[in-house]
Amino acid sequence: EVQLVESGGGLVQPGGSLRLSCAASGFTFSNYWMSWVRQAPGKGLEWVANIKQDGSEKYYVDSVKGRFSISRDSAKNSLYLQMNSLRAEDTAVYYCARGTTAADPWGQGTLVIVSS
Amino acid sequence: QSALTQPPSASGSPGQSVTISCTGTSSDVGGYNYVSWYQQHPGKAPKLMIYEVSKRPSGVPDRFSGSKSGNTASLTVSGLQAEDEADYYCSSYAGSNNFPYVFGTGTKVTVL
Repeated sequence: EVQLVESGGGLVQPGGSLRLSCAASGFTFSNYWMSWVRQAPGKGLEWVANIKQDGSEKYYVDSVKGRFSISRDSAKNSLYLQMNSLRAEDTAVYYCARGTTAADPWGQGTLVIVSS
Repeated sequence: QSALTQPPSASGSPGQSVTISCTGTSSDVGGYNYVSWYQQHPGKAPKLMIYEVSKRPSGVPDRFSGSKSGNTASLTVSGLQAEDEADYYCSSYAGSNNFPYVFGTGTKVTVL
């Protein structure tokens, strides 16, 4: 069964950092682009970052450029999102997803709350 | 990159059809055949329903269909069922400038 499981969310103060992880199983992780998508409470979906199979290409939405960093470890079948200088507006459920133009499947999400 | 425009809500009775539009520009929806649609039930992760404008992943009922004309893509749900009540989001590839993907604003489908 293809599965993605996120972890690492939690409550953090403004200006703080968090590292999200996404454990992949049931497919050849190194064959796929991977993505992070977030959803603020009561709001719509927003692409956050994507990374190519070998990590050679990475894309970030403007609002997180310079603060967030996406990475992957094929030996561990894992995707990561390092989030620094967190702001209140980064509060959201963060999902990892396999692929980009046809993102499937998605993990269950991990909640990040940025608040003092 | 601006979000694609979707109507906030749509509704239909069981058995009827509902169509949701997703309007972008020639730089995204109109420029590429990489439009996808996602279904999201409350508190759940999104699920891919349509990709590359009109293709259905394995396991998605054929009641769900997609199309595109110019800068507007559409998702049609035929034979509405209670379990189709959910939020629906479109997404499109937008080229390699800046960030290459964009979501729609989302549509709440209600089964009356």
